[in-house]
Amino acid sequence: GAVVSQHPSWVICKSGTSVKIECRSLDFQATTMFWYRQFPKQSLMLMATSNEGSKATYEQGVEKDKFLINHASLTLSTLTVTSAHPEDSSFYICSAKGERNNEQFFGPGTRLTVL
Amino acid sequence: GDSVTQMEGPVTLSEEAFLTINCTYTATGYPSLFWYVQYPGEGLQLLLKATKADDKGSNKGFEATYRKETTSFHLEKGSVQVSDSAVYFCALTLSSARQLTFGSGTQLTVLP
Repeated sequence: GAVVSQHPSWVICKSGTSVKIECRSLDFQATTMFWYRQFPKQSLMLMATSNEGSKATYEQGVEKDKFLINHASLTLSTLTVTSAHPEDSSFYICSAKGERNNEQFFGPGTRLTVL
Repeated sequence: GDSVTQMEGPVTLSEEAFLTINCTYTATGYPSLFWYVQYPGEGLQLLLKATKADDKGSNKGFEATYRKETTSFHLEKGSVQVSDSAVYFCALTLSSARQLTFGSGTQLTVLP
């Protein structure tokens, strides 16, 4: 099946710094990538949808300037958490979807801890 | 709006017990339905899916049938194993949309 990777798998940073998370589709071209946030023992909440070469569409309540998403190529999307604060600590998961079908393939997730 | 409701967990079973995790949905169109599994510390993996009414998805001994009349997609397994311990998410997507809507997840623990 299709493989999606995320890097880093975990990151610890100081409050006020910015953190970039990469999501890559390794063996297919992802026309659409999704970014989710998961709090402990809770479901995934969609943050934004990004299509290659265009601006991301953010869900209501998600700050665009806080969570910068770039989908510069068909195999890479990045999420940058700017000026991170402890409340941004969470598990961030990306998924990618190609043109062929409706299935989304999920990355393994990135655990962000902001001190 | 579209939504997915899962039975609340956690669910604790003994090995070889029968498993049912209930899932019901509301949707404005005709959704595709999915069950995803998340093992500790990992991302989501697709377990099974069904794209139209009366379809049965199956994988690794798990089954779920798309019931349009009851808007349900309950997950079942006849004999669970310790290795099935994970969080299970029911989800839907509409053909005209691309995002997945997830249920709240159900934690399953299987004891030896």
